[in-house]
Formats: sequence, C-alpha cells, structure tokens
Amino acid sequence: SAVISQKPSRDICQRGTSLTIQCQVDSQVTMMFWYRQQPGQSLTLIATANQGSEATYESGFVIDKFPISRPNLTFSTLTVSNMSPEDSSIYLCSAIIRTGNTEAFFGQGTRLTVV
Amino acid sequence: DAKTTQPTSMDCAEGRAANLPCNHSTISGNEYVYWYRQIHSQGPQYIIHGLKNNETNEMASLIITEDRKSSTLILPHATLRDTAVYYCIVRVAFAPDAGNMLTFGGGTRLMVKP
Repeated sequence: SAVISQKPSRDICQRGTSLTIQCQVDSQVTMMFWYRQQPGQSLTLIATANQGSEATYESGFVIDKFPISRPNLTFSTLTVSNMSPEDSSIYLCSAIIRTGNTEAFFGQGTRLTVV
Repeated sequence: DAKTTQPTSMDCAEGRAANLPCNHSTISGNEYVYWYRQIHSQGPQYIIHGLKNNETNEMASLIITEDRKSSTLILPHATLRDTAVYYCIVRVAFAPDAGNMLTFGGGTRLMVKP
C-alpha cells in the first residue's frame, strides 16, 4: 500500500491569487494524478502528472490554469492559478504504486475556498 | 471505459448486510469491475475488484453476474463507519503506458442507520 500526504489540507484564498498544493507519496509510484471534486459532485480528473515532462491534461483543463510539476517519482504539485470562487473545490492527488492490475491510492484532499 | 449505473442512495440497518448494485451492460471482455468508497471529508478508498469470478476480501464481497453486465458489492455486517459514497468503476487493467486514471460516476450514497 501507499500513504499519500497532501498539503495544505485546507485553505481560504483571495480571488486572483494562486495556491500550490503538494502531494508526497511514501513509496515509489509509477503514475500520479490530480482530481477535482466540486461541492456535492463526483471526482473529475484534471491531469496525469508525468515525471520530468509536461502533464497530460483532460478536456476542459489547461496548463496555464493548473500547472503541474512532478520532479521525481514520489512528489508532485498542482497550482491553481488566478483563482475565482468557481475554483472552490476539493483537490485530490492519486497514485498507482506499481503496474499490473492494482488499485489506485488517494490523498485526503485539499479543501480550497476562494473568496 | 464502460459506463456504470448505480442507485443514487440506499439505507441499511447497522449489523445487516448492505448490497450495492451496479449495472455495466457495455462492459468489455478485458474490463475489470472496481469498487471504491469515499467517506465524508476523505479521499476515495479502494475496496475490491474482479474480472468475472466472485471475489472476497476483509472488507467486502463482489458478486459479478455470469454475463458480467452487472455486479453487487456486499458489506456483510454494515457498521455506522461504512456510511459513505460507493463508486463502481469499470476499466481495463492498469498498464505501464497512459490511460490508467479512474473515471468516477455519481456513486451510491449509503447511509447506515442504528
């Protein structure tokens, strides 16, 4: 199994500012992902964080708004840029620790409120 | 990945079995059935997965119909701590290349009552 730590766990931010969320995994992982969960909704994939290269974004999400870094196998960051109240959501980091038919693990999430 | 259909919500009495259904009529031969749950204010947690045989672990049992078009997650003795949103997801096996993300539907909100 894997333990995924996210920081911060929650934050309240002013509109127009940016917030960087950190995700640290306690074991080497093969793939890392970032999801968004808007209030009362299910999870939506933002992007796949690729080690040493640009992230792969899903439709509706762009790098300028959600820049992602993954400098090594166990760490990734997601930045929510130029925030507006519509960005208020829970942001979750996920990781797969090995290939094959195995489960994905999730962090506890970062609850972001933009005022 | 195949689409799944789950009831929006269900209630279960504490100590009784909770049976959560999932329809996945368009499932492909190489797609697995995964179940995750999300307890309030936490990230999703893996429960169980299967291809065509029934599976059991310390958390739950998974019953997949012979035609694989539907499945049921069984929590044999539900407790109050099992109150959560349960997601049924069908997908191919994780692979070294891209396409390993999970696609979440609406899930079933299970309320276990005393």
